[in-house]
Amino acid sequence: DGGITQSPKYLFRKEGQNVTLSCEQNLNHDAMYWYRQDPGQGLRLIYYSQIVNDFQKGDIAEGYSVSREKKESFPLTVTSAQKNPTAFYLCASSSEGWKGNGYTFGSGTRLTVV
Amino acid sequence: AQSVAQPEDQVNVAEGNPLTVKCTYSVSGNPYLFWYVQYPNRGLQFLLKYITGDNLVKGSYGFEAEFNKSQTSFHLKKPSALVSDSALYFCAVRDGGNNRLAFGKGNQVVVIP
Repeated sequence: DGGITQSPKYLFRKEGQNVTLSCEQNLNHDAMYWYRQDPGQGLRLIYYSQIVNDFQKGDIAEGYSVSREKKESFPLTVTSAQKNPTAFYLCASSSEGWKGNGYTFGSGTRLTVV
Repeated sequence: AQSVAQPEDQVNVAEGNPLTVKCTYSVSGNPYLFWYVQYPNRGLQFLLKYITGDNLVKGSYGFEAEFNKSQTSFHLKKPSALVSDSALYFCAVRDGGNNRLAFGKGNQVVVIP
């Protein structure tokens, strides 16, 4: 079945460490997105990519970086510059048209600073 | 820019009673509207959408939503709530300017046994 796979499900980061969250989709979707979710704050867009080798900053890009070398993959790196990275991270994808379900979401990665 | 508002932080309802989760939107042009549900520690799941056609849209798990153009609303409804409907619900609208979805802040639904 087609879908989005995020890994790992849980991730622990030490202070000053960079970590990378994986997001892979086999839906043949052009666009991919990264969101951060904190309690009571809804979804906040970090980065998005509408085509391979191109991506744009969202509302809270500081301290994060991404790459889009393949259509299927959109990894997110949380750098040491992100001072409060503990959150639930969601990856999503969408096709160019709007005949489907809008966005398809992965099951999320919960990142905790230890 | 397009936006949605979900005015209530939490909706409490007794099991078996009707459930309504409110959403109003602001958009230029024709709205593409979506409802998603999120269970704890999971991603968002699609419930239903309105793009064109009948104002009453039926979706997954017995949910439906009514599109009201004059009131710019797209409220989510279920005739008889179940305890398993307790979750976080998000309304979203397509932003035609950047072809992305704009999400509301979410509504926590608590169904009381």
